[in-house]
Amino acid sequence: QSALTQPRSVSGSPGQSVTISCTGTNSDVGDSNYVSWYQHDPGKAPKLIIYDITRRPSGVPDRFSASKSGNTASLTISGLQAEDEADYYCCSYTATVWMFGGGTKLTVL
Amino acid sequence: EVQLVESGGGLVQSGGSLRLSCAASGFTFRIYNMNWVRQTPGKGLEWISHITSSTSAIYYADSVKGRFTISRDNAKDTLYLQMNSLRDDDTAVYYCVRGRPNGYFDYWGQGILVTASS
Repeated sequence: QSALTQPRSVSGSPGQSVTISCTGTNSDVGDSNYVSWYQHDPGKAPKLIIYDITRRPSGVPDRFSASKSGNTASLTISGLQAEDEADYYCCSYTATVWMFGGGTKLTVL
Repeated sequence: EVQLVESGGGLVQSGGSLRLSCAASGFTFRIYNMNWVRQTPGKGLEWISHITSSTSAIYYADSVKGRFTISRDNAKDTLYLQMNSLRDDDTAVYYCVRGRPNGYFDYWGQGILVTASS
């Protein structure tokens, strides 16, 4: 069970957009309708921001959007704000296995 | 308000055992699937175990299979993780996490640190 592949870090200026990719295989991301994304401020509890590939829980701004194509899922954050600086993790669920990505540190310049 | 509060962490010698507990409140615990997820130092999140609401199904990551046991007491609204034969690489912050049918995790505890050291 290897972690899904995410870029270690991304950065952007306030107001810009950034996209974080999450690449797996035909056995996980490529075979799953259940990809989710989490925002994690170190020292705090991770927070669900996307589920079912594209859906946002109530309370999550529509600046956060996501998609999937083949074995790669993507999270896009538009109109970057300072408060978006955090670690972001994707997660793929298939049958009886949950696989997280290695995490991406987002820096807001 | 949903709350998940982990306890039972600490420092243990490699090869030793530890039992984590997670006290749930603010929701009907007995109808939700639950999970343990950990974050090792400097690394990312790793799902380690899942238990359905009625304990009809239990799953483990390969990294802990045969050493860790997940369980729950629905009368006490509490989730457990029995960790045996602990290794240095089990050192992590362990999170108690509520799961939804589509495999996503909607509420997380604050996490508890487990340090296994030889």
